[in-house]
Amino acid sequence: GQSLEQPSEVTAVEGAIVQINCTYQTSGFYGLSWYQQHDGGAPTFLSYNALDGLEETGRFSSFLSRSDSYGYLLLQELQMKDSASYFCAVRLYPGDTDKLIFGTGTRLQVFP
Amino acid sequence: DAGVTQSPTHLIKTRGQQVTLRCSPKSGHDTVSWYQQALGQGPQFIFQYYEEEERQRGNFPDRFSGHQFPNYSSELNVNALLLGDSALYLCASSRPARHTVTGELFFGEGSRLTVL
Repeated sequence: GQSLEQPSEVTAVEGAIVQINCTYQTSGFYGLSWYQQHDGGAPTFLSYNALDGLEETGRFSSFLSRSDSYGYLLLQELQMKDSASYFCAVRLYPGDTDKLIFGTGTRLQVFP
Repeated sequence: DAGVTQSPTHLIKTRGQQVTLRCSPKSGHDTVSWYQQALGQGPQFIFQYYEEEERQRGNFPDRFSGHQFPNYSSELNVNALLLGDSALYLCASSRPARHTVTGELFFGEGSRLTVL
C-alpha cells in the first residue's frame, strides 16, 4: 500500500530553523506537496516539488529526493503563528485527478 | 472571492442515523473531493466528483455516497452511522488536474461529525 511517514511532533523556539521529514513508500507519483493546518482550520497549500531538489517560498523551503524516497519541509525564522500541523502528500499516477495521499502529519509547537 | 464553504460546521448524530454534508467550491473550480480526517491523523480520500460524476473513490464502504450538482456544489451522505465515522469531513475544490501543475487543493474548514 501507499504510506507517507512523518514524525508525530516537533518543537522549536521562535527564530529557529526546523526540518520536518517525510519518508514514503508509494508507486509513481507526480510530485510531493506540503500542507499546513492550524487547529480547527482548513489545510492550506504550502509548496510542491515535482522534481528532485529544493524549492524555496519565502521562509519555507521543501526538498524532494525520489531516489531516497524522502522529502522535507524546512521552516526558517520560526514565528509563533507557525505552530500548526504539517502534512506531506503525493498525487499518484495514473491520473487525471487530484487525489492526494496524505502523510501521518507532524505537529509543530513553537515556543517563545 | 469566497473560498470553499462547508455546512454544517458541527453536528452530532447517533449510531444508525444518516447524515448529509454540503460543500460549495471556490469560484472557478469544478472539481470537488471529500476527505475524512480522524483526530490526530492526515486526511483520507473518500471520493472525487467532476462533471456531476464520481471519478475516483478511496477505500470507503458504500455507506459513503455523494453527489455533485450542476453548479459544482456537492453533498456527502453517510448512511448507517458507526462510532468510527466520527471525524472531520473536509471538502476540497480544484481546477481539473490537467489544468494545474501542482494539483493544489483548496480546503474548506470542514464539518465535524460526532457519532454517539
